Amino acid sequence: KAGVTQTPRYLIKTRGQQVTLSCSPISGHRSVSWYQQTPGQGLQFLFEYFSETQRNKGNFPGRFSGRQFSNSRSEMNVSTLELGDSALYLCASSLERDGNIQYFGAGTRLSVL
Amino acid sequence: AQSVTQLGSHVSVSEGALVLLRCNYSSSVPPYLFWYVQYPNQGLQLLLKYTTGATLVKGINGFEAEFKKSETSFHLTKPSAHMSDAAEYFCAVSPYGGATNKLIFGTGTLLAVQP
Repeated sequence: KAGVTQTPRYLIKTRGQQVTLSCSPISGHRSVSWYQQTPGQGLQFLFEYFSETQRNKGNFPGRFSGRQFSNSRSEMNVSTLELGDSALYLCASSLERDGNIQYFGAGTRLSVL
Repeated sequence: AQSVTQLGSHVSVSEGALVLLRCNYSSSVPPYLFWYVQYPNQGLQLLLKYTTGATLVKGINGFEAEFKKSETSFHLTKPSAHMSDAAEYFCAVSPYGGATNKLIFGTGTLLAVQP
């Protein structure tokens, strides 16, 4: 069974641009969560989607948004990029939204210049 | 609010020695607790989790953790360290008694294993 796939693995953008990251969950998983990992702030929860609905959201500005499609694939978008958005963005999927095991992808490393 | 504290951002042990990584949590509801490991340039891999039931939880690669409610702790141990255990380890709590997949992570402990 294929794991969680995140594309692209690496991205370089400049300030003010926008970016879209993609996540394909494990087949059959309906919950997808996104996390930002930085050396200064550690791992922080961005949002969770379940059956195309956002069920939970972290404390990030509105520049960070996401969506989930009917096939459970998810995208997150960051608009008007800032230098501080440079981070590893991790996606995780799970079977249910009741605290079951989350399986993480390898992440997308975003560098904002 | 829920939170996780990992004592010691860097831990160094000799190969074959006991590994002890400390984690304390704060949660207003019964917590789900997790330990994840991250190797360089990779995502997170689940080592073990505690939801309910037995307080001593066994995970992969010989790791185990004990849930101690009175001490609000969930320390990770391994009797004998191996070179391949060198990685960063994260403790996490799931709030709301597991009603959501949102995880709150500790700041991580980087484990070095000396030959």
